[in-house]
Amino acid sequence: GENVEQHPSTLSVQEGDSAVIKCTYSDSASNYFPWYKQELGKRPQLIIDIRSNVGEKKDQRIAVTLNKTAKHFSLHITETQPEDSAVYFCAASRDTGGFKTIFGAGTRLFVKA
Amino acid sequence: DAGVIQSPRHEVTEMGQEVTLRCKPISGHNSLFWYRQTMMRGLELLIYFNNNVPIDDSGMPEDRFSAKMPNASFSTLKIQPSEPRDSAVYFCASSLSATNEKLFFGSGTQLSVL
Repeated sequence: GENVEQHPSTLSVQEGDSAVIKCTYSDSASNYFPWYKQELGKRPQLIIDIRSNVGEKKDQRIAVTLNKTAKHFSLHITETQPEDSAVYFCAASRDTGGFKTIFGAGTRLFVKA
Repeated sequence: DAGVIQSPRHEVTEMGQEVTLRCKPISGHNSLFWYRQTMMRGLELLIYFNNNVPIDDSGMPEDRFSAKMPNASFSTLKIQPSEPRDSAVYFCASSLSATNEKLFFGSGTQLSVL
């Protein structure tokens, strides 16, 4: 069945460094790839998303890249800050054959001050 | 808009008891989703509705779980009878449509079954 793999499961960086989280998906019909941030004890919230008709999208310090041929996409956070510490989830979904968003297992990001 | 509203925030119950979780989606959103989050299994989609109609319930773990959406502003997820392995955070989310739109999550219900 559909699967989304996310790596790494834990990532620790120094404040100011960059962080990269990578995901691969199995369903070639997937065409929407959102990223959610979940702070401890809080709800997941969308931080950025990308659709299959573009290869890259940027919003201030965060960017997402998509390689449809290889079926992988990545989240890049530059100039990390302590408030970036959270669990990040990638997801993949399609709009044909029934909607379903499949989430990756999550990456716990620690930004050390 | 107050966002997606879930109740209760916390529920502690004993094994065998019936549990009902409630959700009010954002007004105007046509799709509603129930997710379960655990450390072991991450975020799992249990069921989703489009225009109040259940579309895919393949994620519902067992017959003990049932969900309803009697109108556009209310949904329930019921577990009867509850078991300790049902302990998890249950999130409700809504979106404008079922096709590739941003999900807005509620605050979740932390369920503990003793």
